[in-house]
Amino acid sequence: EAGVAQSPRYKIIEKRQSVAFWCNPISGHATLYWYQQILGQGPKLLIQFQNNGVVDDSQLPKDRFSAERLKGVDSTLKIQPAKLEDSAVYLCASSLALFGGYTFGSGTRLTVV
Amino acid sequence: GQQVMQIPQYQHVQEGEDFTTYCNSSTTLSNIQWYKQRPGGHPVFLIQLVKSGEVKKQKRLTFQFGEAKKNSSLHITATQTTDVGTYFCAGQETSGSRLTFGEGTQLTVNP
Repeated sequence: EAGVAQSPRYKIIEKRQSVAFWCNPISGHATLYWYQQILGQGPKLLIQFQNNGVVDDSQLPKDRFSAERLKGVDSTLKIQPAKLEDSAVYLCASSLALFGGYTFGSGTRLTVV
Repeated sequence: GQQVMQIPQYQHVQEGEDFTTYCNSSTTLSNIQWYKQRPGGHPVFLIQLVKSGEVKKQKRLTFQFGEAKKNSSLHITATQTTDVGTYFCAGQETSGSRLTFGEGTQLTVNP
């Protein structure tokens, strides 16, 4: 089966600019997650969707981050405006059920300069 | 909020030596998962443990879930250079579905 698709793979922007990431989960996976992984740390959950509804966005910095999952399939994560500390890898993952293993995409490496 | 801690942060071994990483949660878990992330790669799901005291094996890898469902370990017997990477545990609380990752143990294997 096809894996979780993410684009772009790399992005370099200046601080205060905006950026968007795209994710297409595995077909049939109802649950989609966005994680932020700062270098040398474990992934941190930003937002979790069940179909097109938000299950958990308590760790999403809502003043600058937003995410949507229209039609319950693919999803976009946006940062506006970006800060230097947003430099990280943004990982999208999906799972068949709420309690089960996740399949991660290759991630988008964001560098804010 | 829930915290998941892993030790050690780094481990360097000679090829053929054993390796163990330990994971502790501040809260009781419904399940614990283990992932491997190769350098420059993304986390790859290895296994999920659900039952108290559960032990599962995958070839040279042995995973354990504590009796209190708050701790876990991963043991690799006779490491190989292909085992290089960072091993993460991730726990889901009984009260919700959020999967919280530990900081990982970075394993280096010298040939």
